[in-house]
Amino acid sequence: DAKTTQPTSMDCAEGRAANLPCNHSTISGNEYVYWYRQIHSQGPQYIIHGLKNNETNEMASLIITEDRKSSTLILPHATLRDTAVYYCIVRVASVNYGQNFVFGPGTRLSVLP
Amino acid sequence: DADVTQTPRNRITKTGKRIMLECSQTKGHDRMYWYRQDPGLGLQLIYYSFDVKDINKGEISDGYSVSRQAQAKFSLSLESAIPNQTALYFCATSQTGTGSDEQFFGPGTRLTVL
Repeated sequence: DAKTTQPTSMDCAEGRAANLPCNHSTISGNEYVYWYRQIHSQGPQYIIHGLKNNETNEMASLIITEDRKSSTLILPHATLRDTAVYYCIVRVASVNYGQNFVFGPGTRLSVLP
Repeated sequence: DADVTQTPRNRITKTGKRIMLECSQTKGHDRMYWYRQDPGLGLQLIYYSFDVKDINKGEISDGYSVSRQAQAKFSLSLESAIPNQTALYFCATSQTGTGSDEQFFGPGTRLTVL
């Protein structure tokens, strides 16, 4: 799996957009960008994933640069319940053996009232 | 997520004891995983299983063993627990062939080895 780099921590005001960056300069052409989050020692929760195009779902938006070397997860209206550690992961999305998620330390997002 | 359950949720044990952590799922998924998380760090993969007859080592399998008793059950054993195995342990499941390849995590087991 390609290595990712994320800031250790970020703050965001409640109600504002939270923009979480991730660098993955060595990403391969068939590797997807995944985002998970972990709220206070609970099991991680899937947020979103994408390959090249920007993606949006009910939780967040994922913006991937044209060269795919970096991406940004956007929580459009952060709430206190979004306070969590956010993990950016790159990996091949396939049925092949050995293609597993590698969770780094992530970004600790604190949403402030 | 109530679809993936782990027992026990908390366990305190002594060095040298054998410990088994159990994971059950009602999601019907074929793939199951065991991760450990040390304080302030990300998750590390211990073992994974893509079906009942398939067991694979992850990054940190030394000192651990697993058993896939059925599609819905995946157990993790510490044959002789040591203090540096004190950690939060997560089980996860996923289904082959889904577009997102999303993994669903259990609530975790907090293990303390004295």
